[in-house]
Amino acid sequence: DAGVTQSPTHLIKTRGQHVTLRCSPISGHKSVSWYQQVLGQGPQFIFQYYEKEERGRGNFPDRFSARQFPNYSSELNVNALLLGDSALYLCASSETSGLYNEQFFGPGTRLTVL
Amino acid sequence: DQQVKQNSPSLSVQEGRISILNCDYTNSMFDYFLWYKKYPAEGPTFLISISSIKDKNEDGRFTVFLNKSAKHLSLHIVPSQPGDSAVYFCAASGETASGTYKYIFGTGTRLKVLA
Repeated sequence: DAGVTQSPTHLIKTRGQHVTLRCSPISGHKSVSWYQQVLGQGPQFIFQYYEKEERGRGNFPDRFSARQFPNYSSELNVNALLLGDSALYLCASSETSGLYNEQFFGPGTRLTVL
Repeated sequence: DQQVKQNSPSLSVQEGRISILNCDYTNSMFDYFLWYKKYPAEGPTFLISISSIKDKNEDGRFTVFLNKSAKHLSLHIVPSQPGDSAVYFCAASGETASGTYKYIFGTGTRLKVLA
């Protein structure tokens, strides 16, 4: 079975641009979460979606948005990119939302903002 | 504010000995705690978890201990193997007052197991 897949693997953008990152969860998983990991830090929670509804949100500005599609794949959108948005963006899937769920992570998308 | 802290950025242990990785948290809302292992260029991989109603969970060479009163958890790896060399993250999850969920990761501890 395929694990969590993310695209693209690497991306270079300039300040002020917009970016869309994509994630496909493990087959049968209905929940997707997004994390940002900057160098030397742990992953920071951005969003969780379950059955196309937002179930959790971290402390990120409104420039960050996401959505989940009927096939449970998800997109993370970031508008008006800043240099500080340069990071590894991780997607994780789980069978359901809620606390007691093991999350399976994808390999991430490395975003560089110049 | 850093609600989940891993105060040791790195740890070196001899092969065959015990590795102990520590994690402290500040928020009483956390109900579920997890440990992940991360190799370079890969996403974190789930290792072991524990809910707040337990004080110990064991899975093979990995044991997690939770001390709720001290808001402290630890991961024990016995015996340590060179393949265990990786960055280890502890994570905590809880339900907010509005019924949504929050997941907080620590900053990680880089474990090096020496052959």
